[in-house]
Order: sequence, then C-alpha cells, then structure tokens
Amino acid sequence: AQKVTQAQTEISVVEKEDVTLDCVYETRDTTYYLFWYKQPPSGELVFLIRRNSFDEQNEISGRYSWNFQKSTSSFNFTITASQVVDSAVYFCALSEAYSGAGSYQLTFGKGTKLSVIP
Amino acid sequence: ETGVTQTPRHLVMGMTNKKSLKCEQHLGHNAMYWYKQSAKKPLELMFVYNFKEQTENNSVPSRFSPECPNSSHLFLHLHTLQPEDSALYLCASSQDRGGKGNSPLHFGNGTRLTVT
Repeated sequence: AQKVTQAQTEISVVEKEDVTLDCVYETRDTTYYLFWYKQPPSGELVFLIRRNSFDEQNEISGRYSWNFQKSTSSFNFTITASQVVDSAVYFCALSEAYSGAGSYQLTFGKGTKLSVIP
Repeated sequence: ETGVTQTPRHLVMGMTNKKSLKCEQHLGHNAMYWYKQSAKKPLELMFVYNFKEQTENNSVPSRFSPECPNSSHLFLHLHTLQPEDSALYLCASSQDRGGKGNSPLHFGNGTRLTVT
C-alpha cells in the first residue's frame, strides 16, 4: 500500500521568508511518480510538478524548488521569498506505475496550509 | 480560466432531494475522475472513467451515481444523501490513465456540497 505523509498541518511565515513543506512517502514499487499540487481558496487544485522515481535531480522553477531524496523517501518543496499569493493548501501525491489491473491510484497527503503574512 | 469546469459551485440539498453535479473538460483528455475532499482528510478518489468506461469505483455508496456520456462530460448524480456527505467534490481529468500513472490531473474548482 502506498502512503503520503505531510506532517505539517499549518505553517505561517512572514512575507519574503523562505519556507519548506515536507512530504514523506511509502511505496513498495520501484517505479512511481510524485506530484505537488496547490489549492488556493478558490478550490481548484493546480498542478505544480511531477517527478518520476528514476530522476533524483532537484528542480527549480522561479521561487519554487523541490528536493527529491530517495534514501529518505522524501520530496520536499521550498518556496523562496514567499509572497501573500503563495497562501494556499499544498498537497503532495504519489502514484505507482499502472499495473494494468485497474488499480491505478493517486494517493494524496492531507495537505499543508501555508499562510503568508504581509 | 480552468480547462475543467464544474457546476454548480455551491449546492445545498436536503436528504430527500435528488441533484446532479456536472463536470466538463476542454483539454481533450480521455480520463475523468471524481474526488471527495472532506475537512481534515486526504482527498478520496471516488470514480475513474477512461474513454467513457468506468474503471474504478472506490467502494462508494450507491447514493452516488456517476455518469460519463462522453470523454468531455462527467456527472455525479446524488440522491438520499447524508449530512456526512457534505464536502467539496472535485472533478479532474488527465490525458490517459492507461499509461504509467504519470499523467498529471487537472482539477476543476469543485462543488461545495452541504447536505441538511
């Protein structure tokens, strides 16, 4: 069974601070995919990044960066110089490779609510 | 503007009512999903359709009845719901789910359902 743990339920930071959102996952598969989604107050989940299990290179996109560590089963997300518009709930998710038996599952963590205070 | 549109945005219904949630995607995707998001819980996958065929029913009670007439439209028919069914219902689509599970989901804004 697969599991995603986001231990931080809520985080508050002051604008311009850096913040890291933690994600730890469990899976028996050697091939899997990790995702981060952002859910602003409007409700829609916005896809941020996908990473496959064979690619451990860290990725940077503007103020966002992701640190994938297979050794610790973690896929952490850092926002640099946070802004008020970053306030949202952030979800980490895991999907295993499709087995062909109708068992496709995308497992989400419970989410971390980030509040950026002006 | 989102590529996945859900209506209505808010719905209040009594336990004896029958209502339907609608989802439409304009992305040319082949797979569509219903998720339930309750407070303090992870998103729960309810149903998956791939090329209009239901391929996943995650032990959802029969008071929730999905319908997928084509790859662009997905409905969730509701009847005799319970107060604990109050939640945000999210529709999503992806390019396919027959691949290796790596197609990202694109979500709609959700329908906030309150059952009284």
